[in-house]
Amino acid sequence: GNSVTQMEGPVTLSEEAFLTINCTYTATGYPSLFWYVQYPGEGLQLLLKATKADDKGSNKGFEATYRKETTSFHLEKGSVQVSDSAVYFCALSDLGNSGYALNFGKGTSLLVTP
Amino acid sequence: DTEVTQTPKHLVMGMTNKKSLKCEQHMGHRAMYWYKQKAKKPPELMFVYSYEKLSINESVPSRFSPECPNSSLLNLHLHALQPEDSALYLCASSQVSTSGKNEQFFGPGTRLTVL
Repeated sequence: GNSVTQMEGPVTLSEEAFLTINCTYTATGYPSLFWYVQYPGEGLQLLLKATKADDKGSNKGFEATYRKETTSFHLEKGSVQVSDSAVYFCALSDLGNSGYALNFGKGTSLLVTP
Repeated sequence: DTEVTQTPKHLVMGMTNKKSLKCEQHMGHRAMYWYKQKAKKPPELMFVYSYEKLSINESVPSRFSPECPNSSLLNLHLHALQPEDSALYLCASSQVSTSGKNEQFFGPGTRLTVL
């Protein structure tokens, strides 16, 4: 079946540090990949996406590249801000038992300190 | 309009109450979803509607009853809930796609507490 594995948190960084959150996936087909962000007390917001191999999704300084050879979609940002503190979910969409519903990773909590 | 709205934002109910959660979108999406999210966990899929028809029920207890009255609205009717049902309930919508490349747009959620 389909699954997503992402690094366990929490991740604590100082402001302006470099961020990497690892995400790998298993899928039976050719999935689309997403990063969602959830700020405290809020719903999920789509941060970026990629729909085919070697696609790079980017938004708000965050980037992730769809690597089919390593089945990975790692999230990176060159210089984090306090306002980036949130929980980040890697997710895939592919045909599975639940149609095209999303498979989520467990989430990585990020805390950025001044 | 690229927003999914949910009401109420917070809900406290007793185990004998009947209440409803509401979700609305005006993006022309024909797939709508209910998810349940416990603290520090990812969302868990509950129901999927496609073209206003229930297409997926992830073995959710019958005390949760979904309804899709039209293409913009999605309800979740609650009855005789248990304290362990306390969670954030998220609604999402997307285009219907046979390629699986559809992104889902989420609402802000309803924080439900069952006493």
